[in-house]
This record gives sequence, C-alpha cells and structure tokens, in this order.
Amino acid sequence: DTGVSQDPRHKITKRGQNVTFRCDPISEHNRLYWYRQTLGQGPEFLTYFQNEAQLEKSRLLSDRFSAERPKGSFSTLEIQRTEQGDSAMYLCASSLGGLAGGQETQYFGPGTRLLVL
Amino acid sequence: KNQVEQSPQSLIILEGKNCTLQCNYTVSPFSNLRWYKQDTGRGPVSLTIMTFSENTKSNGRYTATLDADTKQSSLHITASQLSDSASYICVVSEGSASKIIFGSGTRLSIRP
Repeated sequence: DTGVSQDPRHKITKRGQNVTFRCDPISEHNRLYWYRQTLGQGPEFLTYFQNEAQLEKSRLLSDRFSAERPKGSFSTLEIQRTEQGDSAMYLCASSLGGLAGGQETQYFGPGTRLLVL
Repeated sequence: KNQVEQSPQSLIILEGKNCTLQCNYTVSPFSNLRWYKQDTGRGPVSLTIMTFSENTKSNGRYTATLDADTKQSSLHITASQLSDSASYICVVSEGSASKIIFGSGTRLSIRP
C-alpha cells in the first residue's frame, strides 16, 4: 500500500498527558499537511511542511502543539498536556507541490482519532 | 473572510435516485475547487477537481459543476448506490493552492 499512513489509528489518553502521532506520506510527495476534524465538521488546517520546512501554522495550533518533519519524509504531531477539547480526528495529507495550474491534490491518511478523558 | 458553505447539511435518499449537493464559496483569490468523499472514520478521498476555466467535471456517476462568476459549485450523483453513503466535502484552494478551506460537508445516507 503506497498511500498515506497514520499511526496510531486510535488513542485514548487522560487529560494532562502528552501524545504523539505519526504520519508517513506518499514517498515522492514534498508537502505534508496536518488537519483536525471534529464530528460533523470539515477538517481544519493546522500546519504544513514543504520538505522539512514548516511553512505555515494555523492560529489553532497552540503552544501545546508541535509538529516536525525532520528528514522531509515522515512527520510527527505532538500534543502536550492534553485537554478534553483536543478530542478530535487528526488527519494527515500529502501532496506533490509546485504543479502548474493549481492541480495539486492532497491525499489523506485514515486519521488518528484522539479521545481525551 | 474566506468561507465555504455547503447545503444541505444532511440528506437521505433511496437507492437508485439522483441527488445534487451544493457548495457556495467566498474564497479569493480562487485557485481550484474539489469535491471529496469521506467515509465514516476514514480520510477524505478526492472525487473531482476544477480550476477557474472549467465548469464541469465527471468521475463515473459523480458530476461536478462550477460557476466561478456566482462562486457556486454542485455535485450531482446519478443512480445512487448504498456505497455512496458518506460525507461529501467541498474544498476550495486559495491563491497558491497550498492553502485550502473545507466546507462542513453534506452527510448523505442512501436507503435501500
């Protein structure tokens, strides 16, 4: 399977604990995105990387959130001191950026569903 | 503020029937518009993509239209199947196309 993969698929944690999610993009894709999705809503942009550089961060990304893509391949999203409001699906997507005509397509992973008790 | 609004919020139709989902956007500058299908508990999957100069695009039983003047798009599903039950999300790319704005989606349920 050469699609976007995410690990774990589900995570239950207690309030105040730290959690880390991993995303493995499609291998030749240079762009990687993180989104958060709550029930009944569309995904909300969190941050994106072009290769290893984090180029944009949403205001939704508080200082408890940090994302890395150290070698320009897989990425991790860490949430420190989790709060109940962090409960959501965290989606990762990757794309081949720089295509002409706005034809860039983001391919999504299956998501990591986080529940903070 | 750049926004994407979808209607209806949810829709139930009988298997075999057609339906049309709507998307209005205020995103500027506009780069492209996509429709995604998201099954429950899964990531979204791209169905169609249209740029400014395209006003219709088909993918099997899915046909998307775009009116860039009125900033409206629709997704028409023909001869619905049970497997079409999912959320359909309209996504508009702004400017450089790396920044995208999602609608809240239309939850479609197909009944046998």
